[in-house]
Amino acid sequence: GAVVSQHPSRVICKSGTSVKIECRSLDFQATTMFWYRQFPKQSLMLMATSNEGSKATYEQGVEKDKFLINHASLTLSTLTVTSAHPEDSSFYICSATRDGGRTQETQYFGPGTRLLVL
Amino acid sequence: RKEVEQDPGPFNVPEGATVAFNCTYSNSASQSFFWYRQDCRKEPKLLMSVYSSGNEDGRFTAQLNRASQYISLLIRDSKLSDSATYLCVVVSGGSNYKLTFGKGTLLTVNP
Repeated sequence: GAVVSQHPSRVICKSGTSVKIECRSLDFQATTMFWYRQFPKQSLMLMATSNEGSKATYEQGVEKDKFLINHASLTLSTLTVTSAHPEDSSFYICSATRDGGRTQETQYFGPGTRLLVL
Repeated sequence: RKEVEQDPGPFNVPEGATVAFNCTYSNSASQSFFWYRQDCRKEPKLLMSVYSSGNEDGRFTAQLNRASQYISLLIRDSKLSDSATYLCVVVSGGSNYKLTFGKGTLLTVNP
């Protein structure tokens, strides 16, 4: 199946710093990538949809100035959590589709990044 | 009503048991449906797609009832390795393509 990687797998940072998470599709070109967040014992919540070469579409309640998304190439999307605070501590997971959803294909998930803000 | 609602669980069953998970969704225009499994502290992995005609893969059977907006997953002869959280996923399509996840149901299969 399709492979999606994320880096780093876990990060611990001080409150107020910015953290960048990378998501790469390793064996296919992903026109669309998605960023999710999952708090303990909760479901995955979509944060934003990232299309290569255009601005990301954010879900309601997600601050675009705090969660910066850059999808500069067909194989790489980055999520930057700016001025991170303890409440941003979560499991961040990216996913990608090969066709942007045109054929209703499912998504391939990265292994996730566990963020802990102290 | 939540977009995707699942049995709250958790389910604790002995090896060899049959266990069923239920899921309902609110958006009647939803186009695709899946079951994922998520192991502790890992990313979700696709288990199977769900169709109105039913879909069977070994010990796993998934079913969709569009009229009732209801999705099910049946696991027969459960194994220890089936222990995980099972996530019901509904896809909306068109210009607003996205996956919506249920909260998941934790299954523990005991020896």
